[in-house]
Amino acid sequence: GNSVTQMEGPVTLSEEAFLTINCTYTATGYPSLFWYVQYPGEGLQLLLKATKADDKGSNKGFEATYRKETTSFHLEKGSVQVSDSAVYFCALSRVGNQFYFGTGTSLTVIP
Amino acid sequence: DTAVSQTPKYLVTQMGNDKSIKCEQNLGHDTMYWYKQDSKKFLKIMFSYNNKELIINETVPNRFSPKSPDKAHLNLHINSLELGDSAVYFCASRGTDLYGYTFGSGTRLTVV
Repeated sequence: GNSVTQMEGPVTLSEEAFLTINCTYTATGYPSLFWYVQYPGEGLQLLLKATKADDKGSNKGFEATYRKETTSFHLEKGSVQVSDSAVYFCALSRVGNQFYFGTGTSLTVIP
Repeated sequence: DTAVSQTPKYLVTQMGNDKSIKCEQNLGHDTMYWYKQDSKKFLKIMFSYNNKELIINETVPNRFSPKSPDKAHLNLHINSLELGDSAVYFCASRGTDLYGYTFGSGTRLTVV
């Protein structure tokens, strides 16, 4: 079956700290992998994506690399800002199929 | 222009009432979804429609009934509301490419 496992939160960091949010997946075939972000009071927004092994998705200073050998897609950012405070969801999907979301990781960045 | 719009944004109602949430997308997408997000932020898919046809119907109480009058609209009707129905409900749509859903901003339902 298909599933996504994310590190549990909440995560609290000081501004300019390094961020890693772990994500591993189980899937049949070769899924595409995604990170979505949900800011307070809003819907989910696509943050970045990778569609095949060794692809690196990046956006707004965030990066994640599709690692087939470790079935992982960890999210990283070198220097977080207060405005990055949000809930982050890892997800997988295959063409024509539904998305499978992780449980979400809440990030709070303090000044 | 809002790509996926849901109404209302907030809904407070008493137990036992019947309510509807509307969703419209102007992206020309073929597939639309309803998700329920609980207080711990867990997202659970409820329904999916492709071109007005139901393709995913997860295990939800039959008090929940989706209706898709056309491929741009997917409404959610809930009968006999219960306290446990309190959650944020998200509508989403997806085109034919790989590149993800577009989510609405959510409807926060509170049953009192």
